[in-house]
Amino acid sequence: DGGITQSPKYLFRKEGQNVTLSCEQNLNHDAMYWYRQDPGQGLRLIYYSQIVNDFQKGDIAEGYSVSREKKESFPLTVTSAQKNPTAFYLCASSMAGGSVEETQYFGPGTRLLVL
Amino acid sequence: GDSVTQMEGPVTLSEEAFLTINCTYTATGYPSLFWYVQYPGEGLQLLLKATKADDKGSNKGFEATYRKETTSFHLEKGSVQVSDSAVYFCALLPNQGGKLIFGQGTELSVKP
Repeated sequence: DGGITQSPKYLFRKEGQNVTLSCEQNLNHDAMYWYRQDPGQGLRLIYYSQIVNDFQKGDIAEGYSVSREKKESFPLTVTSAQKNPTAFYLCASSMAGGSVEETQYFGPGTRLLVL
Repeated sequence: GDSVTQMEGPVTLSEEAFLTINCTYTATGYPSLFWYVQYPGEGLQLLLKATKADDKGSNKGFEATYRKETTSFHLEKGSVQVSDSAVYFCALLPNQGGKLIFGQGTELSVKP
């Protein structure tokens, strides 16, 4: 089955710790995205990548980092610089980022909690 | 800049009631428009989309028509079920492509 997987489903972070959220897709999509969702709010874009080895900051990139070494993988690291990391994190992918009529497909999400 | 505005929730309906969730947008040109649904504890699922004016997207009994004259993309369903309880997000993709822009989401609760 084609789709997007995210792991873990729940992640706990201690003060000062960096944590990495995994996102993998087997849809052969070029573009991948990371969003943050806070309770009662819409989604905010953290980072996106339209092609391997390239990525751009979204609206709330501070305190986060990403890499795109493989087409199917787009891990997100929440660094200690992110002072309010508790949120639901959603990964998405689309066939070709930046073109009209592109549809983004989402993974099941990772809930990050601070201990 | 481009933006999406949805009606505030929560919306509470009885089973078999008619549903409308309003969505209006601000954008230049002709964006593509989407409705996504999020069930509790899950990611977003694409519900329907429309890519040009007067297009009607439909899926699982839900419909939305792209109205350029009123810059709207209201979601409707003739008879809701308890299983439709979820958060619904309206979103637009600008005509030059790039980032999806989401509304704040509308929570729907359907009671038996």
